[in-house]
Amino acid sequence: GAGVSQSPSNKVTEKGKDVELRCDPISGHTALYWYRQRLGQGLEFLIYFQGNSAPDKSGLPSDRFSAERTGESVSTLTIQRTQQEDSAVYLCASTVRDGGTIYFGEGSWLTVV
Amino acid sequence: SQQGEEDPQALSIQEGENATMNCSYKTSINNLQWYRQNSGRGLVHLILIRSNEREKHSGRLRVTLDTSKKSSSLLITASRAADTASYFCATDAWGTYKYIFGTGTRLKVLA
Repeated sequence: GAGVSQSPSNKVTEKGKDVELRCDPISGHTALYWYRQRLGQGLEFLIYFQGNSAPDKSGLPSDRFSAERTGESVSTLTIQRTQQEDSAVYLCASTVRDGGTIYFGEGSWLTVV
Repeated sequence: SQQGEEDPQALSIQEGENATMNCSYKTSINNLQWYRQNSGRGLVHLILIRSNEREKHSGRLRVTLDTSKKSSSLLITASRAADTASYFCATDAWGTYKYIFGTGTRLKVLA
């Protein structure tokens, strides 16, 4: 596609429910990132995929968070048993190669009530 | 933990003035990038500077990189109200290409 696409744009969920956030990277981009941004804060690194290499999961805050990516295509970030502190914008980004310009999607705004 | 820290956290200037933001980081890097974010959603890429470069320009933007001090600065000249946004630096630690973002500078340009 023309840009990084994320869905849903906004999600309100009840505490304890599971949510799935989807990211479609730019076609041909081998690297994909997920970041979390709480209101008024900076971007918090969550996970990094590069081609078929093992992902760097060092930023995932707890075992309630997981992410998958099939090849160089779509990625899904799953949050299980959501908590109120999970409320944030979840930003996905992709890049054509290591060290290249990172292109961001518009984010998925998650509100846990 | 954050790799980069921006300074100042917030900056308010008059239209037409220059705005300077600084970024410091902790480890050796491959590249440093600056981004702008409006209204808390997607980030827009401004400039990428590689570790062997010292200065880059793009329109009204000038970025410098001092690897000996592990710091970078972003200068916006002749600022406009439309430049009001949050500005972030991002660095990838040498050999990793995993980009970590700083805490950001919130710039407000008053008309």
